[in-house]
Amino acid sequence: AQSVSQHNHHVILSEAASLELGCNYSYGGTVNLFWYVQYPGQHLQLLLKYFSGDPLVKGIKGFEAEFIKSKFSFNLRKPSVQWSDTAEYFCAVIPLNTGFQKLVFGTGTRLLVSP
Amino acid sequence: DSGVTQTPKHLITATGQRVTLRCSPRSGDLSVYWYQQSLDQGLQFLIQYYNGEERAKGNILERFSAQQFPDLHSELNLSSLELGDSALYFCASSVAVGHQYEQYFGPGTRLTVT
Repeated sequence: AQSVSQHNHHVILSEAASLELGCNYSYGGTVNLFWYVQYPGQHLQLLLKYFSGDPLVKGIKGFEAEFIKSKFSFNLRKPSVQWSDTAEYFCAVIPLNTGFQKLVFGTGTRLLVSP
Repeated sequence: DSGVTQTPKHLITATGQRVTLRCSPRSGDLSVYWYQQSLDQGLQFLIQYYNGEERAKGNILERFSAQQFPDLHSELNLSSLELGDSALYFCASSVAVGHQYEQYFGPGTRLTVT
């Protein structure tokens, strides 16, 4: 079945460590790609998105993601995490061949950054 | 604050009951989406409305229905509730129909069915 996979369900890092969260999707056609963050008790916020062009996308709060088409991947990275990055991170895809705008989400990765 | 509002914030009800969740989109947004976030299913798209008309349907149960009113607010109706319907229900809105338009999420309504 077509889906979005996030391999790490829980990640624990110390402040200043580097972060990479994996995301793979299984849609064959053109997709739009997103990373959302959900801080404790808050709504989903868009971190960054990729539609086309430069496969390295920079988002808010120092996050970036790289689209690798051949690997169907869109991994999220941050060189140095802070305690305030503790949150749940969701990768999401909009498959463009459906003609609709529904976001298909991965299962999420809970990140805990210890001070 | 995304500009999308949802009420109520929390709802506790019994099995077999019916509830209505309300969403007000950001000012100027014409499209509304509903998503369900549960422990076993994750975040799933339920349904989309655009300017009062149903636009797309996802994994929405027949016991669930939604509508978008002329003032563009939307309601999600859940009936014959089961324990498994306990979840966080998010509403999102976007300015128009099109994959390039960002969806802004509301704070969610946490539904607990006992």
